[in-house]
Amino acid sequence: KQEVTQIPAALSVPEGENLVLNCSFTDSAIYNLQWFRQDPGKGLTSLLLIQSSQREQTSGRLNASLDKSSGRSTLYIAASQPGDSATYLCAFYSGAGSYQLTFGKGTKLSVIP
Amino acid sequence: DTGVSQDPRHKITKRGQNVTFRCDPISEHNRLYWYRQTLGQGPEFLTYFQNEAQLEKSRLLSDRFSAERPKGSFSTLEIQRTEQGDSAMYLCASSLVVGVGTDTQYFGPGTRLTVL
Repeated sequence: KQEVTQIPAALSVPEGENLVLNCSFTDSAIYNLQWFRQDPGKGLTSLLLIQSSQREQTSGRLNASLDKSSGRSTLYIAASQPGDSATYLCAFYSGAGSYQLTFGKGTKLSVIP
Repeated sequence: DTGVSQDPRHKITKRGQNVTFRCDPISEHNRLYWYRQTLGQGPEFLTYFQNEAQLEKSRLLSDRFSAERPKGSFSTLEIQRTEQGDSAMYLCASSLVVGVGTDTQYFGPGTRLTVL
């Protein structure tokens, strides 16, 4: 069974700092990978989708990379802001015809003003 | 607002009662998914629809759970004879998939169920 691990489980940083969130998976046979943010008690907001043929995606201050051979994805957040405080989850599809996302437990980020 | 909507946002019920949740996906999306999320965990897949057809159900979806998407638009998730272990956030998502492939799933705000 594929397992997804997100490290660290929680992270607190001062405003303005650059940071990296990690997502690792046990089986390199993944397809697309998606990063989400979740605010307390709310649904999920899609941040970035890395297609199978891609290695990274960028949106504003966010950059996500995918290395299937090492079983890792990272989400880089530049110049963090208090509004970035949320839980960040990675999730992946296991195949081209896959229909379900498998999620990690998330990393809870707190950006201190 | 053209995002995914869910109703109700919160539901408190007594053990043994039946509950029904509704999800309205983004209008042109052909796939609709249901997930369940408990505290401190990531969402877990329950079931999904391609248009009106329910194509897969997780083993998490016991026979007390039933989902429908009668006209390929909105969907309902019903839980019969609720148990305290059913307490969770129920999330709905939708996506537009053409042919064989995957695409970005867009999530609704969720329905938080508390079973007393």
